[in-house]
Amino acid sequence: DAKTTQPTSMDCAEGRAANLPCNHSTISGNEYVYWYRQIHSQGPQYIIHGLKNNETNEMASLIITEDRKSSTLILPHATLRDTAVYYCIVRVVLGQYGNKLVFGAGTILRVKS
Amino acid sequence: SAVISQKPSRDICQRGTSLTIQCQVDSQVTMMFWYRQQPGQSLTLIATANQGSEATYESGFVIDKFPISRPNLTFSTLTVSNMSPEDSSIYLCSVTVGGAKNIQYFGAGTRLSVL
Repeated sequence: DAKTTQPTSMDCAEGRAANLPCNHSTISGNEYVYWYRQIHSQGPQYIIHGLKNNETNEMASLIITEDRKSSTLILPHATLRDTAVYYCIVRVVLGQYGNKLVFGAGTILRVKS
Repeated sequence: SAVISQKPSRDICQRGTSLTIQCQVDSQVTMMFWYRQQPGQSLTLIATANQGSEATYESGFVIDKFPISRPNLTFSTLTVSNMSPEDSSIYLCSVTVGGAKNIQYFGAGTRLSVL
């Protein structure tokens, strides 16, 4: 399984962009990068995913380097409610049965006023 | 998306007993997953459950300790057997909603404390 490396924690000022890096140097060509977050006492929440192109949705943007060995999740205007643990995950393909997500340690993002 | 309901939301159990956790999804899904989150830790995958077949367990997890049922495409149960305090964790059910997105959604979890 491709492993990911993330900083243990980060701080961000409210209203500023939060940029969360992730290293996945052993990723294979057909493996997607997924980002989830977990707010205290809740189940993980899907944010965004991508293969090789940059992606954007209503929550965030995902920037993947050309060699696909790293990526950055961008929360454009962080709010206090974005304080959570953010997980960068490389999806493990299970062939015809789909795929599974293997979680790493994640990054604790603290948004401060 | 998918709406996942887990029961119970929390429980306190005595060591040596067993607890069955239920997971109900609002739509038919092929794959369901069970995770464990120990206090202060990340999520660890216990097993993958497909309807009509035996669950596939990850390294370190065995069927005798965590038997799983998957009777249909919207329901699954996880039993934590012969519990010890080390089993105190949050247990989460997750499903994959297919198509091109293949997004995995999670329930709110079952918070288990074993005394």
